[in-house]
Amino acid sequence: EDQVTQSPEALRLQEGESSSLNCSYTVSGLRGLFWYRQDPGKGPEFLFTLYSAGEEKEKERLKATLTKKESFLHITAPKPEDSATYLCAVQHTGNTGKLIFGQGTTLQVKP
Amino acid sequence: GAVVSQHPSRVICKSGTSVKIECRSLDFQATTMFWYRQFPKQSLMLMATSNEGSKATYEQGVEKDKFLINHASLTLSTLTVTSAHPEDSSFYICSAPRRGGLETQYFGPGTRLLVL
Repeated sequence: EDQVTQSPEALRLQEGESSSLNCSYTVSGLRGLFWYRQDPGKGPEFLFTLYSAGEEKEKERLKATLTKKESFLHITAPKPEDSATYLCAVQHTGNTGKLIFGQGTTLQVKP
Repeated sequence: GAVVSQHPSRVICKSGTSVKIECRSLDFQATTMFWYRQFPKQSLMLMATSNEGSKATYEQGVEKDKFLINHASLTLSTLTVTSAHPEDSSFYICSAPRRGGLETQYFGPGTRLLVL
């Protein structure tokens, strides 16, 4: 059974304090791993898609990496506006595009 | 800018009534769209896959007669919650995959449903 586990559940950082969020996955065939940002009361905002182990993508203070078992979302020198819930999801090779989500990591960055 | 829209953003209804939620892809065609439900402080749970020109595919445990899905065109899918009850109160979000070389899925802003 495909499964996605994110850790930690919640993370509090001081502004400028870099850290990483983890997404461990079990899937029989990975088509893609997605990272989204979700603000309260809003839909998820697309950040990255990773397709193969060793792949890395960057956007501003965020960098996503992928191995065969997990993905990391590195946040460098975060700012208060980076506070949100970060969701990881996997897409199986055998389906038509549906995503299986982890529980998310809620990040709070204090000034 | 937004590539997937939803309407309405919020709806309050009485128990027993039906509510329709629209999901539109704004500048691309989507033969497939997805409907998710999210309860407070929980992650997104896939409810069903909406297919243009054919029946929707429902996830295990989701009542197809209660959550009616119609993929009316290549840019519009609707979710109708029939005979809504308070336990149907939730945040409903749709998504659509956009093919630009490699597939990327975009989500709508969500619809908050409160059933009294």
